[in-house]
Amino acid sequence: EAAVTQSPRNKVAVTGGKVTLSCNQTNNHNNMYWYRQDTGHGLRLIHYSYGAGSTEKGDIPDGYKASRPSQENFSLILELATPSQTSVYFCASGGGTGTSYEQYFGPGTRLTVL
Amino acid sequence: GQQVQQSPASLVLQEGENAELQCNFSTSLNSMQWFYQRPGGSLVSLFYNPSGTKHSGRLTSTTVIKERRSSLHISSSQTTDSGTYLCALDDQGGSAKLIFGEGTKLTVSS
Repeated sequence: EAAVTQSPRNKVAVTGGKVTLSCNQTNNHNNMYWYRQDTGHGLRLIHYSYGAGSTEKGDIPDGYKASRPSQENFSLILELATPSQTSVYFCASGGGTGTSYEQYFGPGTRLTVL
Repeated sequence: GQQVQQSPASLVLQEGENAELQCNFSTSLNSMQWFYQRPGGSLVSLFYNPSGTKHSGRLTSTTVIKERRSSLHISSSQTTDSGTYLCALDDQGGSAKLIFGEGTKLTVSS
């Protein structure tokens, strides 16, 4: 099974501060994704990437940037954190082999913005 | 409109009963992925099923493209099956994105 790790697992930030969430996968998957999960909204896609150097906007990209410096690493950056960004963030990777986009999820990061 | 609809939204069972969870979709499908999420936990992939039936222990996934539906059957439920089950559509748009349903919350009591 795919191994996806995230750091930190928990983070408390102040409003206006910069937050970087990191994700690493060790299965050489092409595609990586950042989601947030909130009660009442389900899972929502923020940014995704097809490979090193590529980032694409998902469904709710406003207030977030993404960076994919290598095949293994994908970061989510909140330049000016706001309380509305308090959420649980999940990173996922997917093989993108042939027509398969099966995704594997990391353990999640719980972010609280005060 | 919503492209993936899950039903029921919640389900309560006695241990030992079977469960049938449904996912209906309105767009073309490349595959359907089923996930399990324990409260406070991450998403664990159960099946990636483009068509037909797949089995894993007490779990069975069936995807019928013509009828635009996918189902997850849990036999002989256990209290440890409690949690939320999510289906996600991998469409044929080539975007590598999944479209998630809202989930079915399953509670199994002893």
